Amino acid sequence: AQSVAQPEDQVNVAEGNPLTVKCTYSVSGNPYLFWYVQYPNRGLQFLLKYITGDNLVKGSYGFEAEFNKSQTSFHLKKPSALVSDSALYFCAVRDTGRRALTFGSGTRLQVQP
Amino acid sequence: DAGVIQSPRHEVTEMGQEVTLRCKPISGHDYLFWYRQTMMRGLELLIYFNNNVPIDDSGMPEDRFSAKMPNASFSTLKIQPSEPRDSAVYFCASSLANLGEYEQYFGPGTRLTVT
Repeated sequence: AQSVAQPEDQVNVAEGNPLTVKCTYSVSGNPYLFWYVQYPNRGLQFLLKYITGDNLVKGSYGFEAEFNKSQTSFHLKKPSALVSDSALYFCAVRDTGRRALTFGSGTRLQVQP
Repeated sequence: DAGVIQSPRHEVTEMGQEVTLRCKPISGHDYLFWYRQTMMRGLELLIYFNNNVPIDDSGMPEDRFSAKMPNASFSTLKIQPSEPRDSAVYFCASSLANLGEYEQYFGPGTRLTVT
């Protein structure tokens, strides 16, 4: 079975600094990986995905993610954080054998002014 | 496109009552998913449909939960009878089956409180 781990419950970063939200995965076969963001009282919004190809994936709002097969990681990054980036971030992996996603537990990102 | 639409946005009901949550997927999407989000268990997949047919309901917690999709533009999740432990945010999401289009698009959710 597939799984996703987000080792940090919360990440704090100062505005203007780079941010990283960590994700590791376990899946048989080729991984299909996703990042979503959830703002308070809202649904999850798709940020970016890795299916195949370039290991650095660019997504919405200036976010990018780096796929590392040897470390089975898919960390979310942004060169310069904004206060408005403060939200809950979820990593997800496509399930093996069915068209569904398994989500991590989420990481709360707090960007301080 | 208006995105995935869910109603109601908030529902407060008493234990034992029937609750019906509604979802309208994005037009043209052929997959529909129901999730439940709680602090304790995170985001859980309850059931999903393809072309209105239930494909996997292994996440449905009990027989008290049922879901239907009578047509491509409407789905319901029903809880009967409701219990306080059903309190959660319920999300509907939809997706398109085209090759590579695996991402899901979520509605705003229904916050259910069972007292």
